Amino acid sequence: GAVVSQHPSRVICKSGTSVKIECRSLDFQATTMFWYRQFPKKSLMLMATSNEGSKATYEQGVEKDKFLINHASLTLSTLTVTSAHPEDSSFYICSARVLALQETQYFGPGTRLLVL
Amino acid sequence: RKEVEQDPGPFNVPEGATVAFNCTYSNSASQSFFWYRQDCRKEPKLLMSVYSSGNEDGRFTAQLNRASQYISLLIRDSKLSDSATYLCVAGPGRRRGSTLGRLYFGRGTQLTVWP
Repeated sequence: GAVVSQHPSRVICKSGTSVKIECRSLDFQATTMFWYRQFPKKSLMLMATSNEGSKATYEQGVEKDKFLINHASLTLSTLTVTSAHPEDSSFYICSARVLALQETQYFGPGTRLLVL
Repeated sequence: RKEVEQDPGPFNVPEGATVAFNCTYSNSASQSFFWYRQDCRKEPKLLMSVYSSGNEDGRFTAQLNRASQYISLLIRDSKLSDSATYLCVAGPGRRRGSTLGRLYFGRGTQLTVWP
């Protein structure tokens, strides 16, 4: 299957700081990438859809000014959690849709964020 | 109402058992369906797509009932390594305003296979 990487795999930061998470498609071009968040023992929640070269589409209840998404190339999307708060501590996972395979998505390994 | 509903379990079965998971989806226009597997503290991994005619991949069989908007996954001859959370997933299909490629995930069904 297609390979998606994420960096960093885990990060610990202080309240008020910003954290950037990178999502890369390694062996294919991804015009669309998705950012999810998952709290312990809860289901994946879609935060936003990131389209290369255009603004991200955010799900209801997700603050676009707090979760900045940039998708500057066909292989890279970034999520920046600004002014992080302890309640932002979660497992953040990106996925990419392989252009030719319709709605199948491949997930990155996720980033565990802990805000102190 | 949630887009995809599935029983969270947990299901605890012995090695070698057959276990079945079910889920329902609310959008009758959904066109694509999947089962993903998620291990503890890991990302979801595609297990198999689900086709209208039903499909099988080794010990795994997926079925789709469009009339009932119901999807199932059958695991035969369970292995210890099958222990994971199984996520039922539906694509949006032809729905006005839907985001192309957006998937709707169930909360997952937890399976533990014991020796």
